Amino acid sequence: SQQGEEDPQALSIQEGENATMNCSYKTSINNLQWYRQNSGRGLVHLILIRSNEREKHSGRLRVTLDTSKKSSSLLITASRAADTASYFCAHDFGNEKLTFGTGTRLTIIP
Amino acid sequence: DAGITQSPRHKVTETGTPVTLRCHQTENHRYMYWYRQDPGHGLRLIHYSYGVKDTDKGEVSDGYSVSRSKTEDFLLTLESATSSQTSVYFCAISPQPGDTGELFFGEGSRLTVL
Repeated sequence: SQQGEEDPQALSIQEGENATMNCSYKTSINNLQWYRQNSGRGLVHLILIRSNEREKHSGRLRVTLDTSKKSSSLLITASRAADTASYFCAHDFGNEKLTFGTGTRLTIIP
Repeated sequence: DAGITQSPRHKVTETGTPVTLRCHQTENHRYMYWYRQDPGHGLRLIHYSYGVKDTDKGEVSDGYSVSRSKTEDFLLTLESATSSQTSVYFCAISPQPGDTGELFFGEGSRLTVL
């Protein structure tokens, strides 16, 4: 299986703190994407980083990519209660489909 | 929100019965995907389509078949449902894969096989 791993599996932090979650993969990628899933809902795309990029920002989100270590991290700064969700990384291996990781469940404590 | 509708949203069925899940899109996107989501496994690709009548297998395709006779509809069929196919099924669409290949997801179909 090419499915990657994410850690931690679950993370609880206080509102206002930063949240960091990590994603690893096994083979070379074209790009890596992060998605959010609220409970009982479909996934929503957050950000895409290409294999030749090392860092990307979108609002309170910062994504890094280290292709030598085959890993990526998602940082959410100044967390809010509304950030409570599951977060998934997804890898584009250039074969017309995305392979998703196992996800990190983030809980923001008000 | 992307125009994706999954039906039914919830279904309970018995082992051995056939089940068809429907994904309907109004975005005219070329690519359509069926994933299943299970605790501890994240999302796993079942089948996908890259055009009308063009489909290919994903990681967990055994026991599933698909059809796409129109751009807007992608059907997932379980010929003879088993308890291991109890899951939440998500349809996703994309205009094209690659660097602009963001997926848009439906709200999911929860299937319980007794």
